[in-house]
Amino acid sequence: EIVLTQSPANLSLSLGERATLSCRASQTLSRFLAWYQQKPGQAPRLLIYDTSYRATGIPARFSGSGSGTDFTLTISSLEPEDSAVYYCQQRSKWRTFGQGTKLEIK
Amino acid sequence: QVQLQESGPGLVKPSQTLSLTCTVSGGSISSGDYYWSWIRQPPGKGLEWIGYIYYVGSTDYNPSLKSRATMSVDTSKNQFSLKLNSVTAADTAVYYCARETLRGQVFAFDFWGQGTLVTVSS
Repeated sequence: EIVLTQSPANLSLSLGERATLSCRASQTLSRFLAWYQQKPGQAPRLLIYDTSYRATGIPARFSGSGSGTDFTLTISSLEPEDSAVYYCQQRSKWRTFGQGTKLEIK
Repeated sequence: QVQLQESGPGLVKPSQTLSLTCTVSGGSISSGDYYWSWIRQPPGKGLEWIGYIYYVGSTDYNPSLKSRATMSVDTSKNQFSLKLNSVTAADTAVYYCARETLRGQVFAFDFWGQGTLVTVSS
């Protein structure tokens, strides 16, 4: 099983600040790391696929990068609606999710 | 726009079988471009992939659940289903069905159902 470790577990930032969320894999990922946003009481929403491609309708302030075992989701300028839990997910071997990063907007 | 909707009992007794169905609308489950998955989330916790089914009936499961999970597909009804046997309180979770796109570069869960809470309790 490939374990995805996200850091930090919690992040509290102000409006307009830059958020950097990390996802580290226990093994090298061939490709196709994705990021999801989940708000309370809602299903997850796909933000980023294949490491760096924004899904349909996702604002340009969201970007993804990385390779191998280290991946990053960056939100360039935080908006109030970005308060959520963010998960990374791999499909190199079965499918696994990270444990999530909870982002709070101060 | 594709929509997925989970249905099934919200309460299951310990040791019994959890049964859920996902109905797909706005698109065909028989397209070769997608896997159809079940994913669950215990209250206050993270996401766990249970398994997927392809429209021809081929499946793959999370090794931790493989011995208890069975998925099936009914293309005539545009539905796929999950059965999880010998449930315990640890199986209490919100269960989501989701579509995993296989074309282009997407290869991710791009459409999800709203989720259904299943509680295991006597």
